Amino acid sequence: AQSVTQLDSHVSVSEGTPVLLRCNYSSSYSPSLFWYVQHPNKGLQLLLKYTSAATLVKGINGFEAEFKKSETSFHLTKPSAHMSDAAEYFCVVTLASTGNQFYFGTGTSLTVIP
Amino acid sequence: GAVVSQHPSWVICKSGTSVKIECRSLDFQATTMFWYRQFPKQSLMLMATSNEGSKATYEQGVEKDKFLINHASLTLSTLTVTSAHPEDSSFYICSARDPGRSLSYNEQFFGPGTRLTVL
Repeated sequence: AQSVTQLDSHVSVSEGTPVLLRCNYSSSYSPSLFWYVQHPNKGLQLLLKYTSAATLVKGINGFEAEFKKSETSFHLTKPSAHMSDAAEYFCVVTLASTGNQFYFGTGTSLTVIP
Repeated sequence: GAVVSQHPSWVICKSGTSVKIECRSLDFQATTMFWYRQFPKQSLMLMATSNEGSKATYEQGVEKDKFLINHASLTLSTLTVTSAHPEDSSFYICSARDPGRSLSYNEQFFGPGTRLTVL
């Protein structure tokens, strides 16, 4: 079975400081992994995705994530937080053998302090 | 590209009435669409998978007679909440796959969501 664990339900950082949002997955096979961002009362926007190519994935708005198979992790990082980064972030795992169904993490709420 | 729209963006209805939510793929044909439900401060929960021209596949615990899904064309899926009650109030989000994007065959493109409030 596939599952996703987002280790922090809430993260608070100061503007201009680095962001780290943690995600661990459980899968017996090589998964595809995504990070989505959701601003209040909005739909989900894709930040980046890992689909068995390069393990370091660069996304939009300066975000990146590294797939570490040995640690079953796919943490999201950004060198310098911006006020507009305040939102809810979801880590998602999917697997071809299960019809590519999306399994969502519980989400991490990011607060950026001015 | 790969834009998904939803209509309406928000709706308020009285208890006992039915509400229809539309999900459209604007610039691609979606053979598969998904319907999710999101409660405040919670993650998305998959309700059902909608395949064009066939019956939807519902997740365990989702009442198929209450949440009617129709995927009559390659660009439109509808979710009808029948005899809505206050506990059905939620944020409903649809998504779609674009089979034409071979490099992203498993990616889902999300609509902006529909906020349903049942009084």
